[in-house]
Amino acid sequence: AQSVTQPDIHITVSEGASLELRCNYSYGATPYLFWYVQSPGQGLQLLLKYFSGDTLVQGIKGFEAEFKRSQSSFNLRKPSVHWSDAAEYFCAVVFSGNTPLVFGKGTRLSVIA
Amino acid sequence: DAGITQSPRHKVTETGTPVTLRCHQTENHRYMYWYRQDPGHGLRLIHYSYGVKDTDKGEVSDGYSVSRSKTEDFLLTLESATSSQTSVYFCAISESLGRPGGNQPQHFGDGTRLSIL
Repeated sequence: AQSVTQPDIHITVSEGASLELRCNYSYGATPYLFWYVQSPGQGLQLLLKYFSGDTLVQGIKGFEAEFKRSQSSFNLRKPSVHWSDAAEYFCAVVFSGNTPLVFGKGTRLSVIA
Repeated sequence: DAGITQSPRHKVTETGTPVTLRCHQTENHRYMYWYRQDPGHGLRLIHYSYGVKDTDKGEVSDGYSVSRSKTEDFLLTLESATSSQTSVYFCAISESLGRPGGNQPQHFGDGTRLSIL
């Protein structure tokens, strides 16, 4: 079955440190890839998406993600984390055509001083 | 922020009662979606709509129905609520991006927390 895996349920980083959130997906063809962020008590906000072309994608809030076909991965990165980045992050994938998104189970990010 | 309003924001009801959740948008976007969010499951698609009176099932559609009589409103109905439908429900919208994979949720509402006792 097509699936999206976010291996880390919870990550804690210090403010100012770099961040990488992992996302892996099943399936061989090039999918369409998304990262969303959810602040407590709110809905999801689209951070960035990848359809084709340059495999390094820039998003909002200083985030970027890199598509690596050989590893079936789409990891999210940020060079310097701010306390306001504390939230839950979801990777999501469209596996083929116009089929609906499949979400990973999310990674909760905590930021400490 | 995109104009998406979900109502009610919170609801507590009893097993076996009908429940209707409303999603209203002011963006005139073509696509609307209903998701449920449960711990350990992420978000799962219930139903979506690609136009007035055009809807399709998602991954977890059993026990739910939807209607879209106007572009701006997308209703989710639980005909006879069960405790397994206790969840947080999110509405989302997107405009057509005109290419495969492009018609995906761009904006989400703030959610409805539904408890079924």
